[in-house]
Amino acid sequence: KQEVTQIPAALSVPEGENLVLNCSFTDSAIYNLQWFRQDPGKGLTSLLLIQSSQREQTSGRLNASLDKSSGRSTLYIAASQPGDSATYLCAAGGLTGGGNKLTFGTGTQLKVEL
Amino acid sequence: DTGVSQNPRHKITKRGQNVTFRCDPISEHNRLYWYRQTLGQGPEFLTYFQNEAQLEKSRLLSDRFSAERPKGSFSTLEIQRTEQGDSAMYLCASSLRTDTQYFGPGTRLTVL
Repeated sequence: KQEVTQIPAALSVPEGENLVLNCSFTDSAIYNLQWFRQDPGKGLTSLLLIQSSQREQTSGRLNASLDKSSGRSTLYIAASQPGDSATYLCAAGGLTGGGNKLTFGTGTQLKVEL
Repeated sequence: DTGVSQNPRHKITKRGQNVTFRCDPISEHNRLYWYRQTLGQGPEFLTYFQNEAQLEKSRLLSDRFSAERPKGSFSTLEIQRTEQGDSAMYLCASSLRTDTQYFGPGTRLTVL
């Protein structure tokens, strides 16, 4: 059974700082790895998806890396802004009946202060 | 592309009542997923459809839960005889093939 862990559970940084969020998973046979953002009381917004054959993906100030062999992924946020404050969730995807079942971590709650 | 929509956004019900939620996926997406999220936790997988076929159900989905996706378009999730432990955010997501899953805003269920 896949288990996903995210460290730290909460993080507070000053505006402008670069930061790294960590995600680890127990079963390296993942299909892909997806990072999401969730604002309080809202649904999930997809940030980046890394296929199992890829090492990293970039979108704007975000960069996500994947190391399947060690069961780890990181999300790097450059030049953080107060608008980045949210909970960040990683999810390991596993193929099931032609679909992609996501197993989520419990998230890292990020606060970027002025 | 109007995104994934879910209705209602909030539902308050009394224990023992039945409730039904609706999810409308992105129009060309053939895969649809339901997840449940409780406070402080990540979402947990409940069930998955490819077109109209329900291809996997989690053990979390007890006999009181049923999901349908008639004609491979919108989906409904029904909970019968609700219990306080059913209180959670119910999230729907859709995707094209096994690509990025796009989530709706969720339905927050409170069982009194």
